[in-house]
Amino acid sequence: DGGITQSPKYLFRKEGQNVTLSCEQNLNHDAMYWYRQDPGQGLRLIYYSQIVNDFQKGDIAEGYSVSREKKESFPLTVTSAQKNPTAFYLCASGGQGQDTQYFGPGTRLTVL
Amino acid sequence: QKEVEQNSGPLSVPEGAIASLNCTYSDRVSQSFFWYRQYSGKSPELIMSIYSNGDKEDGRFTAQLNKASQYVSLLIRDSQPSDSATYLCAVRGRSGGYQKVTFGTGTKLQVIP
Repeated sequence: DGGITQSPKYLFRKEGQNVTLSCEQNLNHDAMYWYRQDPGQGLRLIYYSQIVNDFQKGDIAEGYSVSREKKESFPLTVTSAQKNPTAFYLCASGGQGQDTQYFGPGTRLTVL
Repeated sequence: QKEVEQNSGPLSVPEGAIASLNCTYSDRVSQSFFWYRQYSGKSPELIMSIYSNGDKEDGRFTAQLNKASQYVSLLIRDSQPSDSATYLCAVRGRSGGYQKVTFGTGTKLQVIP
């Protein structure tokens, strides 16, 4: 089955800890994206990558880091520098030059 | 002014009626427009994309685009209770060399049986 997977589905973090959210796709898409969704707000772009070994900051990159060592994988690390990390995190992918983004199932992160 | 604006709702329609969801955008050079459906606690699912002025139909869904008015809408005919969800409008413009997608905050639709 082709698609985008994210893990874990739920994640609990203590203050001061770094956590890494996984995103994997087997759609052969070049571009991958990380968004954050908070209640009453639209999706906000954290980071994006249009090609392997290259990524760019989005609108709210502070406190987050990413890597893109493989085409299929785009993990997101939420660092202790992120002031309010509790949110629903969505990974998406899309083909190079294509408009459409397809989303994974999401990871809900809660800071205890 | 928000880049992509939607009425948050809820929009309540009776089962079998037409639901009309609206979205306005501020960037005149926007090129691509999308509607996503998001059930509570789930991720967004693409319903429709539209690129040129006019209507685009797919089953019970019709997307309408008017670039002069910077307005895009989604009509859902014969609304079903299973259509109850939040509908996100997304607009792709251009930011430097990257075509950024901006999402609205969504309109919550409730279809009453």
